[in-house]
Amino acid sequence: QVQLQESGPGLVKPSQTLSLTCTVSGGSISSGYYYWTWIRQPAGKGLEWIGRVYTGGTTNYHPSLKSRVTVSIDTSNNQFSLNLSSVTAADTAVYYCARKSAGLPFDYWGQGTLVTVSS
Amino acid sequence: EIVLTQSPGTLSLSPGERATLSCRASQSVTSPYLAWYQQKPGQAPRLLFYGASSRAAGIADRFSGSGSGTEFTLTISRLEPEDSAVYYCHQYESSPQSFGQGTKLEIK
Repeated sequence: QVQLQESGPGLVKPSQTLSLTCTVSGGSISSGYYYWTWIRQPAGKGLEWIGRVYTGGTTNYHPSLKSRVTVSIDTSNNQFSLNLSSVTAADTAVYYCARKSAGLPFDYWGQGTLVTVSS
Repeated sequence: EIVLTQSPGTLSLSPGERATLSCRASQSVTSPYLAWYQQKPGQAPRLLFYGASSRAAGIADRFSGSGSGTEFTLTISRLEPEDSAVYYCHQYESSPQSFGQGTKLEIK
């Protein structure tokens, strides 16, 4: 059974970089053809797709965040990561990591981690 | 970007009743790469349907998905108290992927 677990600071200061890691267990992150994805959800609001990294390393980002986002994969540690620079209060949200395969939606999700941007 | 609009915003029904949730897309979602998720407070979304009408593993047959093009529907028959949640549609056909704003289902 694949499991995903987010980790990282719960509090980030404005203008700094938000960094989160998603650790994948129950399977190798480099086997199969999957899109390892970050999604966020502000309190009481809907879901926003942030970006993804393909097993082979190709990345795609939401156009509204593209200038500030980097998603990368670390196959040696079975992890993938999110860096979001120049954060503001608007970036305060629960951040989820999730797995997607071609032609299918997100089948496995992490439990989510709350990141608050505040001084 | 494909914009998904869900209606109604909130639905309040009694156990045993039938719920009909709508998701309208601003452009046609072919294939169709349209999914539905259920999210309960403090939990991650749970996949209910993919391909508009294919039920995910472990999902009760009281749940059904249908639709094509720009109009999609999630139907829940014989509502149970545990169906209380927010339901989201999601298009994964084109980038950036997008979600509807959600329909909150309350069981009286």
